[in-house]
Amino acid sequence: EAGVAQSPRYKIIEKRQSVAFWCNPISGHATLYWYQQILGQGPKLLIQFQNNGVVDDSQLPKDRFSAERLKGVDSTLKIQPAKLEDSAVYLCASSLTGGGMDYGYTFGSGTRLTVV
Amino acid sequence: AQTVTQSQPEMSVQEAETVTLSCTYDTSESDYYLFWYKQPPSRQMILVIRQEAYKQQNATENRFSVNFQKAAKSFSLKISDSQLGDAAMYFCAYRRINTNAGKSTFGDGTTLTVKP
Repeated sequence: EAGVAQSPRYKIIEKRQSVAFWCNPISGHATLYWYQQILGQGPKLLIQFQNNGVVDDSQLPKDRFSAERLKGVDSTLKIQPAKLEDSAVYLCASSLTGGGMDYGYTFGSGTRLTVV
Repeated sequence: AQTVTQSQPEMSVQEAETVTLSCTYDTSESDYYLFWYKQPPSRQMILVIRQEAYKQQNATENRFSVNFQKAAKSFSLKISDSQLGDAAMYFCAYRRINTNAGKSTFGDGTTLTVKP
């Protein structure tokens, strides 16, 4: 099966600029996650979608970050305006759960964002 | 809130030998999942092994096995016959059993070096 697709792979922007990341999950995976991974740390959840509805966005800095998942498939994460501390790898993951089973995440390759 | 702690930022092992990576977690739940993920330098994170908390038997996947101690809230990963391709960052993750396919909480990782 095709994996989780993310683009772009790398992005360098100046602070106060805007940037957008795209993710296409595995077909049939209802749940999609965006994680932020700062260098040397584990991934931290930004937002979780179930189909096209938001399940958890409690850690999303909503004054600058936004995300959407149109038609329950592709998702876009946007940062506007970017700050230096937003420099990180942004990981998209999707998950197939159901019937009480949890099969873990399938991750994309991530987008490495550098804010200068 | 659940927390996951990996107390070994770095570990090294000689090729063909065995290494154990440690993970502890904090939760008040009785049912949950635990995972180990591997993140090679190319950055795409992949699932190595998963454990359901209600199962007493430790999970095994080829050269990878876990030692799950529920009372101690400990979940270590043993890699046998280490290979050069095992060099990566390893993340321990916790996830509640939840009909809403809840988020995973990750530790900050252990960087494993394999020496030829």
